[in-house]
Parts: sequence; C-alpha cells; structure tokens
Amino acid sequence: DGGITQSPKYLFRKEGQNVTLSCEQNLNHDAMYWYRQDPGQGLRLIYYSQIVNDFQKGDIAEGYSVSREKKESFPLTVTSAQKNPTAFYLCASSLRAGNNYGYTFGSGTRLTVV
Amino acid sequence: GQNIDQPTEMTATEGAIVQINCTYQTSGFNGLFWYQQHAGEAPTFLSYNVLDGLEEKGRFSSFLSRSKGYSYLLLKELQMKDSASYLCAVRDRKSNDYKLSFGAGTTVTVRA
Repeated sequence: DGGITQSPKYLFRKEGQNVTLSCEQNLNHDAMYWYRQDPGQGLRLIYYSQIVNDFQKGDIAEGYSVSREKKESFPLTVTSAQKNPTAFYLCASSLRAGNNYGYTFGSGTRLTVV
Repeated sequence: GQNIDQPTEMTATEGAIVQINCTYQTSGFNGLFWYQQHAGEAPTFLSYNVLDGLEEKGRFSSFLSRSKGYSYLLLKELQMKDSASYLCAVRDRKSNDYKLSFGAGTTVTVRA
C-alpha cells in the first residue's frame, strides 16, 4: 500500500542538540512539506520541496534545515538554533499540480526538549 | 499569504447538527479543503470545494462562496467519535506552487 511514513513517533532532544526527523513516501508524489503544530495553533509551514534537489523556506524556517536528495525522502533537521522546538511535526506530500484531496499526511512526530 | 479564520471551539449534543464557518482571504484561490484531526493524530481529508455550492458526503457537507471568501462544514447526526479538531485549508496557486495554508482549527466536543 502506498503511504507516507514518519519516524520516530516520539523524540526527545537535549538542549543544544540537533535532531533529524524522517519522512518517506512511496506515492510517487513530487511535492513534500513539513509543518509544525502547536496547541491552539494551526499548521505552520516550515519548508517545502516541489522537485528533487530543490526546496523553499516556509513561514517559520529559522532553526530548521532540510534536504531532498531523493524523491521519496524529505528529512527535517531541527538545529540547536531553534529556541522552542517542542511541537508536533507533520510531513505531507502531494502531486505537484494539485489534486482534489490536497495532502497525504504522515502520522507525525512529537518532539520534546528535555 | 492567506488569512484564514475559524472559531476556536464548538460544543454540541450527540445527534445534533453543527456548522463550522471558515473565512479566508487569498489572491489566487485554487480550492478549499476540510480536514479532521483527532488529538495526537494526522489530519484526514474530509472535503474539497473549488466551485461555489454545496458538496455532500454522507453526514458531512461543505459549502463554498468564492465571492464572499466563505466556507462552512456541516456535521449532521453527530456521534461521539466526531469529537475532534476540524481544519480549514486554502490552496493558493502562485507560480505553480500549490501548497496549503491552514486555519487554527475548530475543536468540536460532542456531548452525550
């Protein structure tokens, strides 16, 4: 079955540590996205990529980095420069030209700073 | 960017009807989506509107008025499992960029 997989489901980070969240899809989607969700707030766009080896900053890119070396994979690194990283992170993918269901979402990674 | 507004919370009784409104402002409207999200889980697709009018899908219906920048999601015959957050999202077509912008979500609580 096609889908989008995020790992790990839960992640704990120490102060000053970089961590990488994994996102893999086998839907043959061109576009992939990373969103952050905080309590009482909507999904805020961190980074997105429409094709391999290209990506753009979203609304809250500071303190994050991404790569898109393969179509299937779009990992997100939360760096020590991100001052408030505790949040629920969602990865999504879609056909580049859009469709009538929007995104397919992964199951999310909950990151907590300890 | 887009300004997408929806109420923060709504409460209704099992078996009743609830209407969640969403207003938006965008320069290149290319569709409006509603997603359901249970706590700690990923959003799941409910409905899509790109033309004016009502789309009905079982107990859920969604309406769009592009001239008013307005949509609503109607949930009928409410069940306890409908307690969740409902996200309104707008797709804006700019330079072949089809990313979605999301409202803050409306938390619906269904009471027995």
